[in-house]
Amino acid sequence: DIQMTQSPSSLSASVGDRVTITCRTSQRMSRFLNWYQQKPGKAPELLIFAASSLQSGVPSRFSGTGSGTDFTLTISSLQPEDFATYYCQQTYSTPQTFGPGTKVDMK
Amino acid sequence: QVQLVESGGGSVKPGGSLRLSCAASGFTFSDSYMTWIRQAPGKGLEWVSYISSDSSHTNYADSVKGRFTISRDNAKRSLYLQMSSLGAEDTAVYYCARAAVSWQQLDYWGQGTLVTVSS
Repeated sequence: DIQMTQSPSSLSASVGDRVTITCRTSQRMSRFLNWYQQKPGKAPELLIFAASSLQSGVPSRFSGTGSGTDFTLTISSLQPEDFATYYCQQTYSTPQTFGPGTKVDMK
Repeated sequence: QVQLVESGGGSVKPGGSLRLSCAASGFTFSDSYMTWIRQAPGKGLEWVSYISSDSSHTNYADSVKGRFTISRDNAKRSLYLQMSSLGAEDTAVYYCARAAVSWQQLDYWGQGTLVTVSS
């Protein structure tokens, strides 16, 4: 199985901050890497697919980069509605594992 | 608009069984791969299973293999998860989600249904 790590596991930030979350996979997987946002009590929502493609309707302050084993999600200017937990997921092979999550809270 | 609505969750005793359903609307269900994802209380997301559009391919996480069965009825636009030999470790919110054709990203999710396994 492909192992996923995310760093940091949590971070505190302020509105307007630039936030970067990293996801590392145990195997190279081209661009089969997706990012989701989850707010408490809600289902996850897709933000980025194929490592860098912005899902329709997602604000352009979200962006993704990377390929191979190292991937990054960036929020260029954190907004109040962005305080949430973020997960990466690989869909290169089954089981389609998720990272452990990064919780972004208010400083 | 796209809707995925799970049902069938509830409380069950260890060793028991439960069948979850997911009703789909707003997209071509018969062309879509579908998945089940679960989330234990306070924990992260765990991929559980997927099924191809024509049911010819299925796959399971090791944690549920041999105990859970995924199926679908394209005529009824419905996805199912038959769960048996349930244990406390299966307590979670179960989400159904559509996997897009291109990169298998989960682009639509249901609201989830809670399964609690407790004596």
